[in-house]
Amino acid sequence: QSVLTQPPSVSAAPGQRVTISCSGSSSNIGNNHVSWYQQLPGTAPKLLIYENNKRPSGIPDRFSGSKSGTSATLGITGLQTGDEADYYCGTWDSSLSAGVFGGGTKLTVL
Amino acid sequence: QVQLVESGGGVVQPGRSLRLSCAASGFSFSTYAMHWVRQAPGKGLEWVAVISYDESYKHYADSVKGRFTISRDISKTTLYLEMNSLRAEDTAVYYCAREGGASCRFDYWGQGTLVTVSS
Repeated sequence: QSVLTQPPSVSAAPGQRVTISCSGSSSNIGNNHVSWYQQLPGTAPKLLIYENNKRPSGIPDRFSGSKSGTSATLGITGLQTGDEADYYCGTWDSSLSAGVFGGGTKLTVL
Repeated sequence: QVQLVESGGGVVQPGRSLRLSCAASGFSFSTYAMHWVRQAPGKGLEWVAVISYDESYKHYADSVKGRFTISRDISKTTLYLEMNSLRAEDTAVYYCAREGGASCRFDYWGQGTLVTVSS
């Protein structure tokens, strides 16, 4: 059971918009930055969003992040079949003194 | 360019030990905290351990505390994970990751090395 809670799966049609939620507590999301990772099948995770809403160089602006209180959200617009992947939120938990991830969300582009 | 290359995985019997390595290049290894993250087959990501840039702190997941030890060799720019008393539930792909900023921002990941614990 993961410390951060994500929906197991989301789906949408090509060109549409989808959001993925990540719920935590005051000891993790509430007082630390959130990162989001994309994991394509058979590959290592890749940083998509850091510090809640910043994109690393090379990540298209179709990907966005936000945070409010103890929850965070990843948004993807203009969905493409190449976006089909598992998405994870992550942060530090100050009470556990440990890194924590969500259970992952599988995105299907119908 | 930044590269992280893990090695040392393989098949090991329950109760035995294994040491993983992560060779780092393309950045100033001595100035970054480094982490291990694992992923059991068909499962999600699980954080394992962190070591600070100067080794002043090390933290572990409860699931590996007392059995795993994280360390680093600055001269060899290599990160290690010593795994003892291995259990079937430790079977996973183990990734090393660079902490590029606060709150576990993992900006670079290795390709992973598979550890299988089985008799």
